[in-house]
Amino acid sequence: GESVGLHLPTLSVQEGDNSIINCAYSNSASDYFIWYKQESGKGPQFIIDIRSNMDKRQGQRVTVLLNKTVKHLSLQIAATQPGDSAVYFCAESSSMDSNYQLIWGAGTKLIIKP
Amino acid sequence: ETGVTQTPRHLVMGMTNKKSLKCEQHLGHNAMYWYKQSAKKPLELMFVYSLEERVENNSVPSRFSPECPNSSHLFLHLHTLQPEDSALYLCASSQAGENTEAFFGQGTRLTVV
Repeated sequence: GESVGLHLPTLSVQEGDNSIINCAYSNSASDYFIWYKQESGKGPQFIIDIRSNMDKRQGQRVTVLLNKTVKHLSLQIAATQPGDSAVYFCAESSSMDSNYQLIWGAGTKLIIKP
Repeated sequence: ETGVTQTPRHLVMGMTNKKSLKCEQHLGHNAMYWYKQSAKKPLELMFVYSLEERVENNSVPSRFSPECPNSSHLFLHLHTLQPEDSALYLCASSQAGENTEAFFGQGTRLTVV
């Protein structure tokens, strides 16, 4: 079946360094991708999204890269801060799905070392 | 504050109890969702309501019963649950007919004893 998966379940990064969280997807028809951040005790919070007509999109301290050739998505966080500690989820959807349902990855836990 | 409010935040219930989870959104969205989040598992979509009609029911046991009285409110009625139903239940909303992000509530942490 179609799936979205994450390469690493846990990522430890030194405070101030850049973080890269990766995600693989298998549905060729997916054309919309989102990254969510979930802090302990909270619901997932939207970070950034990208559509398939783009390869890169930048936000505040975050960049999402999309490689459609290898079906790979990544989230780059610049100058990681303690507040970035959370579980990060990628999700995908397709315009061919009338309900635009999101397919979720398992999540990567980002740990910031002081 | 995401504009999606869930109550209660925590709930402990026995296997013979009946309880309801509530979700309210103030974003003007017309699609609402229930998700189940268990430890070390991807988010599991349970139910989808679009324009107040249920459009998705992902083989969820009948002990979970959703209700969507209007586009701003969503309920999940719980009856004779099992301990394995203990999880974080998340409500989300989005704009139906558009391929855009969903906004989530804080979730209800449910423990079945």
